[in-house]
Amino acid sequence: GDSVTQMEGPVTLSEEAFLTINCTYTATGYPSLFWYVQYPGEGLQLLLKATKADDKGSNKGFEATYRKETTSFHLEKGSVQVSDSAVYFCALTKAAGNKLTFGGGTRVLVKP
Amino acid sequence: DTGVSQNPRHKITKRGQNVTFRCDPISEHNRLYWYRQTLGQGPEFLTYFQNEAQLEKSRLLSDRFSAERPKGSFSTLEIQRTEQGDSAMYLCASSGGGHSNQPQHFGDGTRLSIL
Repeated sequence: GDSVTQMEGPVTLSEEAFLTINCTYTATGYPSLFWYVQYPGEGLQLLLKATKADDKGSNKGFEATYRKETTSFHLEKGSVQVSDSAVYFCALTKAAGNKLTFGGGTRVLVKP
Repeated sequence: DTGVSQNPRHKITKRGQNVTFRCDPISEHNRLYWYRQTLGQGPEFLTYFQNEAQLEKSRLLSDRFSAERPKGSFSTLEIQRTEQGDSAMYLCASSGGGHSNQPQHFGDGTRLSIL
């Protein structure tokens, strides 16, 4: 079946450091790919998405590019802030209105 | 846009009791999803409605679990004869119709603790 694999956390960074969270997927066909973020004490929020190969999703300084050849959707941010401390989830869907398949999540802690 | 609302936020119950959770989706959304999230893991899909029709159920959804969306608006998830392994965060999400890749919007979840 479909699956998503993320790098394990926690990832601890200093403010203004570069952040990369690796995400790879296994799926037949052409899934849509998502990054969701869960801030402490809050629900899941959509961060960005990409629906076809080579699409780049971006939001709040975060970016991720849909790489079909490597089945990857790595999340990057050039300069993190303390407020970026959260758990980040990579996810995919296979069909219209269909279920999300999530990775295990990566906790990021940014220290001042 | 008031967001997806879930009630209660927390539920503590004894093993063997029945529990029911409620989800109110974003008003114009016709798709509604239930997920379960255990500590340190990503959410796992349970079931999905389009309007009032339940279109897919995961194998995780044993016969002790039932979900309804009677009028295509709010939904309930009931767990009968709860077990220790049912302790988790239960998440509801909704999305709009139309384009196939409308994002899912999540509620804050209901945390279930089984004593």
